[in-house]
Amino acid sequence: ETGVTQTPRHLVMGMTNKKSLKCEQHLGHNAMYWYKQSAKKPLELMFVYNFKEQTENNSVPSRFSPECPNSSHLFLHLHTLQPEDSALYLCASSQATGTSGPSTDTQYFGPGTRLTVL
Amino acid sequence: GEDVEQSLFLSVREGDSSVINCTYTDSSSTYLYWYKQEPGAGLQLLTYIFSNMDMKQDQRLTVLLNKKDKHLSLRIADTQTGDSAIYFCAEKLRGGGNKLTFGTGTQLKVEL
Repeated sequence: ETGVTQTPRHLVMGMTNKKSLKCEQHLGHNAMYWYKQSAKKPLELMFVYNFKEQTENNSVPSRFSPECPNSSHLFLHLHTLQPEDSALYLCASSQATGTSGPSTDTQYFGPGTRLTVL
Repeated sequence: GEDVEQSLFLSVREGDSSVINCTYTDSSSTYLYWYKQEPGAGLQLLTYIFSNMDMKQDQRLTVLLNKKDKHLSLRIADTQTGDSAIYFCAEKLRGGGNKLTFGTGTQLKVEL
């Protein structure tokens, strides 16, 4: 049990659909992250939120829209996706964001949402 | 620039030691991580090592860091079938916020 949950675990959507991915962390952390994991490619950081404020957008297309209503929840809203957006989307959380050392900066990951865009 | 490389596959027999290697290009790393990903699961933190350390041991896991060669390795002693997974190394850079640069992952297969 990592303390980070993601729903749904699997999602199939058409290119014209709108869907949302949800992430919830039960670790009392202040920072949350979205990553994209594609086959045979390194994990790509998409967004970082710290105390509900977005601190990083790694040149992600606008068809991906994150939302962080509080420090425990993170959403990724999806619309008009492309087939190449099919991937495993991972959420992570950490207590802090890189200023205090590994005991607080370490990121803990959820199980991911396997997204298929038809 | 930031680049972390790993070999894609490693196959070992049960009971043998596994050594998974990682090379990185940016010398300003503060610490480096090893994560494990089992099929259908997210990334599980295994261990980390500060960039000013040479070695860290944690039960069956031994991490070696050669800063001169920018080489990181993870040794798993007495490898078991439950160790079959993808192993990722990740580098955290100084001044990079909490951004991690991940390798492509090494798939470890443990055979009986």
